Amino acid sequence: GQSLEQPSEVTAVEGAIVQINCTYQTSGFYGLSWYQQHDGGAPTFLSYNALDGLEETGRFSSFLSRSDSYGYLLLQELQMKDSASYFCACTGTDKLIFGTGTRLQVFP
Amino acid sequence: DAEITQSPRHKITETGRQVTLACHQTWNHNNMFWYRQDLGHGLRLIHYSYGVQDTNKGEVSDGYSVSRSNTEDLPLTLESAASSQTSVYFCASSEPMKADTQYFGPGTRLTVL
Repeated sequence: GQSLEQPSEVTAVEGAIVQINCTYQTSGFYGLSWYQQHDGGAPTFLSYNALDGLEETGRFSSFLSRSDSYGYLLLQELQMKDSASYFCACTGTDKLIFGTGTRLQVFP
Repeated sequence: DAEITQSPRHKITETGRQVTLACHQTWNHNNMFWYRQDLGHGLRLIHYSYGVQDTNKGEVSDGYSVSRSNTEDLPLTLESAASSQTSVYFCASSEPMKADTQYFGPGTRLTVL
């Protein structure tokens, strides 16, 4: 089977840095994706790591370690609009398996 | 601009009724997916399709069916709605071999009474 674990909730203040961790157990692993979902909205794609290492996209970075079955999403210079749920997802055989999500609350 | 739409956005139905949720995408993507989202469970895959006439079961497919007669549409049918199927349903699409990057519709909130 496949499973992903991530913290249920994280809080931080504006301007801070926060890291959301994701550990996975899966067969046929191709890569790790991250999605953002605001309350009442649809998930939107943030990043994808197929190889070990860090991928940077503006204020957001994502990291993958295949040997540790571990990845994280790093959000820098937090803004109020970053308050949302963040999902990691394993890519395998052309479909995604999602984690249960981490709710990020950013306070002024 | 290409998009993916779902209808209806909200639906209330009764136990035992058949319900069909529509999903239409103009990305011309071969891959299409249906998920349900419930508190504490994240997004769970119901059914998916890699092209016309292709359908596959996901992790929570019992009580649901799909059919793919063209590239643009993947309707989801609940054969006999149950209260346990009260949920928010999302449709998504992606290019072939690019399931890491999926484009989601706005969702349908379904309540089964």
